[in-house]
Amino acid sequence: SQTIHQWPATLVQPVGSPLSLECTVEGTSNPNLYWYRQAAGRGLQLLFYSVGIGQISSEVPQNLSASRPQDRQFILSSKKLLLSDSGFYLCAWSVERTYTDTQYFGPGTRLTVL
Amino acid sequence: GDSVTQMEGPVTLSEEAFLTINCTYTATGYPSLFWYVQYPGEGLQLLLKATKADDKGSNKGFEATYRKETTSFHLEKGSVQVSDSAVYFCALNAGGTSYGKLTFGQGTILTVHP
Repeated sequence: SQTIHQWPATLVQPVGSPLSLECTVEGTSNPNLYWYRQAAGRGLQLLFYSVGIGQISSEVPQNLSASRPQDRQFILSSKKLLLSDSGFYLCAWSVERTYTDTQYFGPGTRLTVL
Repeated sequence: GDSVTQMEGPVTLSEEAFLTINCTYTATGYPSLFWYVQYPGEGLQLLLKATKADDKGSNKGFEATYRKETTSFHLEKGSVQVSDSAVYFCALNAGGTSYGKLTFGQGTILTVHP
């Protein structure tokens, strides 16, 4: 069966520090991968998605970036964190590329920027 | 653009009460519709889905019917339990060239008291 891992589970970082969040998927090949952010009391905002190694699409321009160095690895980064980057970051995967595609979510990383 | 509107919460019910969480959508084509559930401190889990008009998705006693004429996908459960306390998200996948991207509603917080 497929599983998705995210780490770290929680992170507290000072403003201006770098960020690296990692997501890995097991049990499937060539998945679509997604990064979402959930700010406190708000819905989910799609940040990035990837349909293959090295292929990244950005949904929201900001100081975050994403990379996909391996088929089942998706990394979210920042060179300098802002207070507004605080939130719950969720990685998701799917296998189809049609309108019936179902996304499966990881456990999330809670980021607090102080 | 595509959008999802959920009833505002929070919703507070007593155990064994009937639950309805309203969801309406706007999309250019014929999307797939989803309900996800998020338990405290966790990622999102797929609760149910429907991929075409008049389809009924069901799982764990929850049901939702894809109503094209009213562009709705309301979530219902006949008898809620304390363990159903969570945040519920309605979402759509409009397909096309969006590679299965999901558009989420804002989420509805459900609290069930014994």
